[in-house]
Amino acid sequence: TQLLEQSPQFLSIQEGENLTVYCNSSSVFSSLQWYRQEPGEGPVLLVTVVTGGEVKKLKRLTFQFGDARKDSSLHITAAQPGDTGLYLCAGGTQGGSEKLVFGKGTKLTVNP
Amino acid sequence: DSGVTQTPKHLITATGQRVTLRCSPRSGDLSVYWYQQSLDQGLQFLIQYYNGEERAKGNILERFSAQQFPDLHSELNLSSLELGDSALYFCASSVGGPLGDEQFFGPGTRLTVL
Repeated sequence: TQLLEQSPQFLSIQEGENLTVYCNSSSVFSSLQWYRQEPGEGPVLLVTVVTGGEVKKLKRLTFQFGDARKDSSLHITAAQPGDTGLYLCAGGTQGGSEKLVFGKGTKLTVNP
Repeated sequence: DSGVTQTPKHLITATGQRVTLRCSPRSGDLSVYWYQQSLDQGLQFLIQYYNGEERAKGNILERFSAQQFPDLHSELNLSSLELGDSALYFCASSVGGPLGDEQFFGPGTRLTVL
């Protein structure tokens, strides 16, 4: 069974601070996706990384896929209250299947 | 708004009952996915349909079944409900095709089993 462990589980910071959340597995994934979910809504895709070592930037968010494609990180610079939400990572499995394996998420609260 | 619609938004029922959750994918999407999200298990993949055919199966209980109709909408049927089935159920859709295809999630159905 492929598992994705996310850490920390909860994170509460002040506006303007930087933060990094992690997504780790003992399994290799062909792709890694990051989603943000707000209360009462479905997850929304932020980014997909597919190449080991790949780094993608989305405004103040930086995503990195580990060289071995087993782990990933999300770094947020100068966090804002609008960044508050549940951040989920999801691994894409090989063999043509489109099943996604989700981590349990990091619940981020950015206080003004 | 992702373009994926789910009904109903909330459902309260009793143990032993049967319910049907409905999903309409984004226009043009052929794949529909069903997920269950609970506090302790996180978001769990249940099943995927592509153009009416079952394509992949995850942690779906035998008491649960799904289908995708010719108009591409999908229904998830949950029977002999137990307290532990209380969760958020999400439907997602995608164009379908190669691995890594973006999935767009609906707003979910919150099921409460009393």
